[in-house]
This record gives sequence, C-alpha cells and structure tokens, in this order.
Amino acid sequence: ETGVTQSPTHLIKTRGQQVTLRCSSQSGHNTVSWYQQALGQGPQFIFQYYREEENGRGNFPPRFSGLQFPNYSSELNVNALELDDSALYLCASSSYGQGGTKNIQYFGAGTRLSVL
Amino acid sequence: ELKVEQNPLFLSMQEGKNYTIYCNYSTTSDRLYWYRQDPGKSLESLFVLLSNGAVKQEGRLMASLDTKARLSTLHITAAVHDLSATYFCAGAFYFGTGTSLTVIP
Repeated sequence: ETGVTQSPTHLIKTRGQQVTLRCSSQSGHNTVSWYQQALGQGPQFIFQYYREEENGRGNFPPRFSGLQFPNYSSELNVNALELDDSALYLCASSSYGQGGTKNIQYFGAGTRLSVL
Repeated sequence: ELKVEQNPLFLSMQEGKNYTIYCNYSTTSDRLYWYRQDPGKSLESLFVLLSNGAVKQEGRLMASLDTKARLSTLHITAAVHDLSATYFCAGAFYFGTGTSLTVIP
C-alpha cells in the first residue's frame, strides 16, 4: 500500500463523453503526476502538478487537463473521449525538492477506463 | 523528451539462473528509476539511482547506473518464480516499454 488512492477503479464511457478521474496523494507529498498506460505498454507521462500549478507536460492534447487542490489531491479531466483513450490511468505522488528519497514516485492502483 | 529503451522485451529464464536487463536512455537524466509491475497491478518502486556509478541492491535484484554511457542495468541473481513480473526503467517521467520476465521452475 502506497497511500495513494485513485477513484473510480473502473469506468466505462462512450466516445465523445467527458471523464474526471481523482487521486489522493500520500500524506506529506506535494506533487502529483498522471500517466496513461495502454495494454502492454509502458506508462506515458501526461502531466505533473506542483503546488496547484502544472509543472511539466507530456505529448498529450489539450483535451487532457488537470487540477491540483490545496490538500494536494488531484483530478485528471479528459474531454471528447476517443477509443484510443482506453487505458489504465495512473496517479503518482512525490515530495518535490526534498533530499534523500526525493522524487521517488508512489503510484496508486489506477483507474481502468474503457471507451466504447 | 527523454527516450528510454529496454532490452530484452521478453525474458524467460530458469530458476536459479542469473540475467541482466539493460536500459539505455537518450539524454542526460539526473535520476533513473526501476519499477516492478505485476499483471493487472500498479507500479512498485524498486530503485532510484541518482549519480554515476550508483549501485543499489535489494534481495536478488541489483541496479547500477553509468551516466556516461547512459546505461542502467538490473541484474537478477539466482532467479525465483516470485520475480516473474514486468520491469520498467524510467528517467524522470519517461518510461521504457518494459521487460516481461517469466521465471520457470
């Protein structure tokens, strides 16, 4: 158990709909990153939030957006869903800028999204 | 964007044998991670390597980093069935495609 919780665990949507995925960080962590993992692939970096600001973004279109809240929890929003958006979405939290175990990411169990 | 390549992609090995997974990355990265993922599960952090020459060991797994060669290795000693999983290396946010390891009794 990493202390990072994601909800929901599974979700089925249809093409064109919008979806919001949620992530609660491990206690004491101030940074959240989101990843998309298609079946049989490595995780692909979507973006990272640090202190409520986007702090880096991967090669994903603007219809992928996010928020981080003052308690460091986070949301991933995906608009205009496409079939290729079907994947496992992983959230990871970390403590940015601290020494020792800095930047180790602790992953949640993920949300499996199916787009029909 | 950092590119990370792993090889082999698939590895089948007998219990008790040794093997090494290789991870090459394209540009300078100040840290290199190794993760384990069991089928249908999330990622478990194994090692973080922060400097050239870093070596870390946990049980039958040992990871090393050569920043000049942009190469990290994950060495498996005397494999056991419980090590069967997919192993990923990652530089910061960018992951390799993974090595699917199957240990055969």
